[in-house]
Amino acid sequence: AQSVTQPDIHITVSEGASLELRCNYSYGATPYLFWYVQSPGQGLQLLLKYFSGDTLVQGIKGFEAEFKRSQSSFNLRKPSVHWSDAAEYFCAVGDDYKLSFGAGTTVTVRA
Amino acid sequence: EAGVAQSPRYKIIEKRQSVAFWCNPISGHATLYWYQQILGQGPKLLIQFQNNGVVDDSQLPKDRFSAERLKGVDSTLKIQPAKLEDSAVYLCASSLETGINSPLHFGNGTRLTVT
Repeated sequence: AQSVTQPDIHITVSEGASLELRCNYSYGATPYLFWYVQSPGQGLQLLLKYFSGDTLVQGIKGFEAEFKRSQSSFNLRKPSVHWSDAAEYFCAVGDDYKLSFGAGTTVTVRA
Repeated sequence: EAGVAQSPRYKIIEKRQSVAFWCNPISGHATLYWYQQILGQGPKLLIQFQNNGVVDDSQLPKDRFSAERLKGVDSTLKIQPAKLEDSAVYLCASSLETGINSPLHFGNGTRLTVT
């Protein structure tokens, strides 16, 4: 069965600093991997996805993620965070039609 | 395009009462999903529809939860009777078609509190 682990429950970062969110997955075949963001009181929005090919994936809002098969990881990064990046971030792994989400990482941005 | 609409936004009920949530997907989207998001956890798929047929309801607690998608458009999710552990945000999502290549579009959710 597929599963996702996000080791960090909460991260606090200063505005303008870099951000990295960790994601480890368990899946027997080549995974489909996703990062979603959820702002308070809103639904989830897709940031980026990896299906195959280039292991460095660019997404919206200046985010990128790198797929590392040897480490079963798909970490999300942003070089310089903005106050509007404060939200909850979910990593997900999918098979042909179903997504399994991690528990999420809450990001707080301090001025 | 208009997004996925859900109502109500908030609902507070007592245990053993019943409750219903409504979802209107993006026009033309064949696939509709209901997710349960308990505080501190990621969303968990409850049921997936393709048009008005069920694709996956393996994680739906069928003794108390039911869902329908009449005419393959709007959907309702019902809980009867509710338990304390049903307190969660219920998210509806839709996609153009079934399959991982078709992006999910989420509604803002309904926050249910069971007291």
